[in-house]
Amino acid sequence: RKEVEQDPGPFNVPEGATVAFNCTYSNSASQSFFWYRQDCRKEPKLLMSVYSSGNEDGRFTAQLNRASQYISLLIRDSKLSDSATYLCVVNQAGTALIFGKGTTLSVSS
Amino acid sequence: DAGVTQSPTHLIKTRGQHVTLRCSPISGHKSVSWYQQVLGQGPQFIFQYYEKEERGRGNFPDRFSARQFPNYSSELNVNALLLGDSALYLCASSPPGGGARGYTFGSGTRLTVV
Repeated sequence: RKEVEQDPGPFNVPEGATVAFNCTYSNSASQSFFWYRQDCRKEPKLLMSVYSSGNEDGRFTAQLNRASQYISLLIRDSKLSDSATYLCVVNQAGTALIFGKGTTLSVSS
Repeated sequence: DAGVTQSPTHLIKTRGQHVTLRCSPISGHKSVSWYQQVLGQGPQFIFQYYEKEERGRGNFPDRFSARQFPNYSSELNVNALLLGDSALYLCASSPPGGGARGYTFGSGTRLTVV
């Protein structure tokens, strides 16, 4: 079983749609959780950290369920500029970032 | 301030050859990590260095090696290249105590092995 598993993509949605990405992780010792965004042929960039209480950043909402080892990202009112690959990432203190395979989002007009 | 810089940006090598990739971290960052991203996959951890010492190693063969210099820059070396080594190689730096939230990635070196 892979350490971090994500929804298979791609997700093709119209502008204005709400889209949700899911992710599960296998290591219960994981302590930090993130969503990264990666544009085509570019480096990954931190989109947001994910906290147990849930957190929101504008149109983006992230949730973490430690009991189920499940992470989600909700994007509301999708924009063309949201088209990218979204990577679910987990980390234990002092160790490497563990990335999921990524889910590709394509927003069309 | 300059971000994480990697060189070269693109590279084409022949099977069996050796390659050296370079990374300069953000000023003040003492930790450098290397990742390999094969097309269609997420980045996979190769090495982490902190204060010139190896702090972690991913599941990669001994053909992969790295080092960190006194100025905190780093090199990733790959010997006896295979076609499967074709990938985007990413370097990330982080500040002391920055933890996982402090990672900043360079734009990567795209290696093609033919």
